[in-house]
Amino acid sequence: EAGVTQFPSHSVIEKGQTVTLRCDPISGHDNLYWYRRVMGKEIKFLLHFVKESKQDESGMPNNRFLAERTGGTYSTLKVQPAELEDSGVYFCASSQPGQGNTGELFFGEGSRLTVL
Amino acid sequence: DAKTTQPNSMESNEEEPVHLPCNHSTISGTDYIHWYRQLPSQGPEYVIHGLTSNVNNRMASLAIAEDRKSSTLILHRATLRDAAVYYCILRVLDTGGFKTIFGAGTRLFVKA
Repeated sequence: EAGVTQFPSHSVIEKGQTVTLRCDPISGHDNLYWYRRVMGKEIKFLLHFVKESKQDESGMPNNRFLAERTGGTYSTLKVQPAELEDSGVYFCASSQPGQGNTGELFFGEGSRLTVL
Repeated sequence: DAKTTQPNSMESNEEEPVHLPCNHSTISGTDYIHWYRQLPSQGPEYVIHGLTSNVNNRMASLAIAEDRKSSTLILHRATLRDAAVYYCILRVLDTGGFKTIFGAGTRLFVKA
């Protein structure tokens, strides 16, 4: 069974450009999460999808970030326009439905974003 | 906000047990304690979780203090492949649903 996959693994862009990160969760996992770790900081929650609906987007830093999950399958996270402080590693995770706060999260390998 | 505190790094010899501590003094009654680890160039992976009682699985054991303000992840026999960053995490119920709150993690070095 394929795990959570993320693309691209690394993206280098100029300040002001746009980048779109993609996450393919494990098939059948209704819950999809985005996290990020900026340099020297802890991994922080960004948002949570249940199927195609945004359950919680309280961690999104500002309106330059847009996450979508059309059809409840893969998700995209777009940063437009990118700023220097957006550099970091963006992780996607998925989990099975209905497991509350006991469910195991399955993480992708992350997408490293470097904004110059 | 609930948070966890861990030592920045620890060192162990191969084949010896490792005890990784975590403080979570602000934990609430329904918050679960999870441990994940992150190997180089990979995403975090699940290790173990618990609520009140000690837990064992094939990877590790989790010892939870009676007041739940601290816990310890126990690797019974460290191997070189266990070298990773270990995160003590609280899974909390918030207004928007269940949140995962990461600590800074402990980097474990294993010496041959």
